Amino acid sequence: QVQLQQSGPGLVRPSETLSLTCIVSGGSISRYYWGWIRQSPGKGLEWIGSIYSSGSTHYNPSLASRVTMSVDLSQNLFSLRLRSLTAADTAVYFCAREGTNYFFDFWDQGTLVTVSS
Amino acid sequence: DIVLTQSPGTLSLSPGESATLSCRTSQRVDNYLAWYQQKPGQAPRLLIYDATNRAAGIPARFSGSGSGTDFTLSISGLEPEDFAVYFCQQRSVWPRTFGPGTKVDLK
Repeated sequence: QVQLQQSGPGLVRPSETLSLTCIVSGGSISRYYWGWIRQSPGKGLEWIGSIYSSGSTHYNPSLASRVTMSVDLSQNLFSLRLRSLTAADTAVYFCAREGTNYFFDFWDQGTLVTVSS
Repeated sequence: DIVLTQSPGTLSLSPGESATLSCRTSQRVDNYLAWYQQKPGQAPRLLIYDATNRAAGIPARFSGSGSGTDFTLSISGLEPEDFAVYFCQQRSVWPRTFGPGTKVDLK
């Protein structure tokens, strides 16, 4: 059973950079897309971007200027960096796998990231 | 971007009743649409993929239909654990987009 474990800070100051890492266990990171999705308090789901195991990326155009994703096959993990944070970036951040059908079939439990000074 | 619209916003039902949730896309997505269930404090759970296929471990009371731009999630005989928010998502084109959700709550 694939499991995802996210790590990163719960509080980030405005204008700083958020760095999140998602470690994959129970399966290989190879030959899949891996995505980041966020959910503002009480709101819907916003796709941030997805990265293939080869390193190929697709980003949400609304965030693309501030987002960088990377993958580390040797450690079976993938990462998100989101720059120039504002209060509007406060959300629960999820990492997830796009399965063989390219929908998100495995998720982590999510991390609340608060942007505040 | 493809915009997904879900209706109704809230559906108030009793256990045992059936639910019909709608998702409409602003462009054709063929059958590349999924449904997710989310409960408070939890990650979304994939229910239906490619419009009609139940994901692993999903009970048969959940079914999906539709193609093109109009899709439906049906829940036949609501169980207490089915009261939750349901989102649709398309993967026909980048960027991936989600609908705003339908909340199924207890009447």
